[in-house]
Amino acid sequence: DAGVTQSPTHLIKTRGQQVTLRCSPISGHKSVSWYQQVLGQGPQFIFQYYEKEERGRGNFPDRFSARQFPNYSSELNVNALLLGDSALYLCASSLSGGTLAKNIQYFGAGTRLSVL
Amino acid sequence: KQEVTQIPAALSVPEGENLVLNCSFTDSAIYNLQWFRQDPGKGLTSLLLIQSSQREQTSGRLNASLDKSSGRSTLYIAASQPGDSATYLCAVGGSQGNLIFGKGTKLSVKP
Repeated sequence: DAGVTQSPTHLIKTRGQQVTLRCSPISGHKSVSWYQQVLGQGPQFIFQYYEKEERGRGNFPDRFSARQFPNYSSELNVNALLLGDSALYLCASSLSGGTLAKNIQYFGAGTRLSVL
Repeated sequence: KQEVTQIPAALSVPEGENLVLNCSFTDSAIYNLQWFRQDPGKGLTSLLLIQSSQREQTSGRLNASLDKSSGRSTLYIAASQPGDSATYLCAVGGSQGNLIFGKGTKLSVKP
């Protein structure tokens, strides 16, 4: 079975532009989460979606938005890009959302975004 | 606010050594704890998940323990190999179903 797939693998944008990142979860998984990982740091939580509804949001500005589609894939949008948005953006999928103790999150390879 | 700390930040050992990576967290109200491995520029590979009601989990040469009362977890790697070289991340399950990560321990195993 395919794992979590993310596209594109790399992106270069300039300040002020907008970007859309895509994620396809593992087949059968209904929850998708997005994380931002800046170089040298651990991933930071951005959003969680389950059954097409937002179930959690981290401490990120409104320039960040996301949605989940009927097939459970997801998009992360970032508007008005800043230099500080340069990071590895990771998508994770799991069978269900919420705080189920045995809920393992599986991560994709990430999208490397560079903002110049 | 939950904070996760990993010590040491970097570790270099000769091949064959047994080693322990440490993770501590400030709020014991977690629903699980996951250990991940990350190779340079890559995504995260899940190694072990310990549910909040469990004390430890084992997979091959890896053993992870959890002590919620003291806010600690350890990852034990037996008979280390050069292929184990990577950054190891600890993450605890937060109240939104999210994971809260430490900064990781960068492990280098020398042949």
